[in-house]
Amino acid sequence: KQEVTQIPAALSVPEGENLVLNCSFTDSAIYNLQWFRQDPGKGLTSLLLIQSSQREQTSGRLNASLDKSSGRSTLYIAASQPGDSATYLCAVRPQGSSNTGKLIFGQGTTLQVKP
Amino acid sequence: DGGITQSPKYLFRKEGQNVTLSCEQNLNHDAMYWYRQDPGQGLRLIYYSQIVNDFQKGDIAEGYSVSREKKESFPLTVTSAQKNPTAFYLCASNLGARGDTQYFGPGTRLTVL
Repeated sequence: KQEVTQIPAALSVPEGENLVLNCSFTDSAIYNLQWFRQDPGKGLTSLLLIQSSQREQTSGRLNASLDKSSGRSTLYIAASQPGDSATYLCAVRPQGSSNTGKLIFGQGTTLQVKP
Repeated sequence: DGGITQSPKYLFRKEGQNVTLSCEQNLNHDAMYWYRQDPGQGLRLIYYSQIVNDFQKGDIAEGYSVSREKKESFPLTVTSAQKNPTAFYLCASNLGARGDTQYFGPGTRLTVL
């Protein structure tokens, strides 16, 4: 059974720091991995999607990497800002006989960037 | 603007009541999903639909029901059989292809009184 784990559960950093969020998954049979951002009481916003054949994706100050064989992904945030404060969720789309489009989510990392 | 809308934003339910959460999308997506989020946890799949007039149970379907009569709409009913319905409910959609992104609505927070 696919399980997704995110460490740490919470992180507090001063503004301007570069930081890394970690995501691990137990089964490497995935179609893709997505990173989402969630502000308190809001829905999810997709940040980056990495296909299983890709190693990384970049968008602005964000860079996500994928090592499928080891079951790991990292989200790198450069020059963090207070506006980056949110919960970051990673999710994998597992392969399988029924392609349901289902995503398996980690519990998230709550980031606080202090001014 | 294209996107996913959910209503209401907040919903209160009395014991024994059924309530229906609305989800509408104008993205022309074939697939739609309902997830439940509990505090400090990731999302769990309740039901999904890959095409009109067809839907399947997710991991935690007990106590919930859905319909998909129109491509744009995927309402979720929380029945009295759901013993712990207080949660944040999120609707999502995508084209259904294997590699594409899921887009999420703003969510409905359901509280049982």
